[in-house]
Parts: sequence; structure tokens; C-alpha cells
Amino acid sequence: TQLLEQSPQFLSIQEGENLTVYCNSSSVFSSLQWYRQEPGEGPVLLVTVVTGGEVKKLKRLTFQFGDARKDSSLHITAAQPGDTGLYLCAGARGTGTASKLTFGTGTRLQVTL
Amino acid sequence: NAGVTQTPKFQVLKTGQSMTLQCAQDMNHEYMSWYRQDPGMGLRLIHYSVGAGITDQGEVPNGYNVSRSTTEDFPLRLLSAAPSQTSVYFCASCRRSAYNSPLHFGNGTRLTVT
Repeated sequence: TQLLEQSPQFLSIQEGENLTVYCNSSSVFSSLQWYRQEPGEGPVLLVTVVTGGEVKKLKRLTFQFGDARKDSSLHITAAQPGDTGLYLCAGARGTGTASKLTFGTGTRLQVTL
Repeated sequence: NAGVTQTPKFQVLKTGQSMTLQCAQDMNHEYMSWYRQDPGMGLRLIHYSVGAGITDQGEVPNGYNVSRSTTEDFPLRLLSAAPSQTSVYFCASCRRSAYNSPLHFGNGTRLTVT
């Protein structure tokens, strides 16, 4: 059972366009992380959001955690070719040392000139 | 900085063979984990460890064994490889808890079982 669904699965846009990626679940998470993965490499953390309704910005990327801590979104403004990659959300259940991360299905983004 | 090191990078096995995927981290992280990545499935947790001598199962543990005899190493053993285990395997570690610590990933091992 996939607890975290991401949409869209694939996105191909031109440089300068804006886009939003969604991460949805019926489960409540204690925190939500976003990772970006490039071919042949492991995922790299972009941001962690912990509080319901929290908004974090990382340059042109804006991350929001849903009020009920069941969903999240990633908005990219004026996309650039360097934003190309696989974006993964990951929800944590529990807050102790045994907290486990469940990853979403991924959104593959391609930004062309 | 080495971070998380996985070996080998590529491996081809025949059905029924066994092998060990190696994972080592030099960041003194307590938490280590193994994920497999399949198209359209994201990353699925196989096993994890919160410290030396402690391991637990994740979402898809069947067919895999782990041990954690030291803080640095967390090998993943495939007991009898099956074609369904064809995947890319990632080892990841974090300082203490995946709740609020970033996971540091290795660059993966691409395994093909024929």
C-alpha cells in the first residue's frame, strides 16, 4: 500500500514556467521532507516541514505542509534546466529514534530551454 | 568527505544466488536504513537500524537480512536472489531520527537478477 501519492508523475515544461507538485496521503505525518534525486545518485534533502500550515522557501522553491499534516506541495517559480530531476516527498511517522520515513511515488520534472 | 559509501555499484546475479550489499558511513550516524527503488513506486523501506546491535523490519523485508555489528556498517544480505529483487538499492543514514534529521543517501547499487 502506497501511503503517499504524488502528482503529477511526469512534468515537462519550458524554462521560466511555474509548476506545483502535490504530495497527498490519508495518513497524518509528524514531519514531511522533500528530496531531489538526479540520475545515478541518491536523493538529496531539500527541506523538512514539521508544523501544520508551515511554509518554507528555498530560493525559487516554496514548500507547504497541509494544516492537517496529511499533504504537502512544492511550487517552483520560473523553472530552470537545473531544476530537472526526480522530486520525492517523504512522510515521517513517530518522532522518536525509530521514526520511519515513507516515500512518495515521485514526480519526474524536465525543464527545457 | 565520504558520507555513505555503497558497494558494488552494479551486480548481476542468477536466481538462487546469494550476495551481500555493503554500506558504510563515516558520519557517526546512529540511524541507518536500506531502501529499494522501483519505477513508479518511489523508495520502499526494507530494514533499518537505530544503533549497533539493533535492527527492525521495514515495509518489504522478505528475502533480505541485515545486521549492525558496528555504528559504521550496515550490510544487506540477499539469501536466495529472485527476479523480483531486481531493483536499485539505496543505503541511507541520519544522525538520530528520520523525523527531523536529513537522510544521507549513498549512490545506490543496481542489481539485476536473471
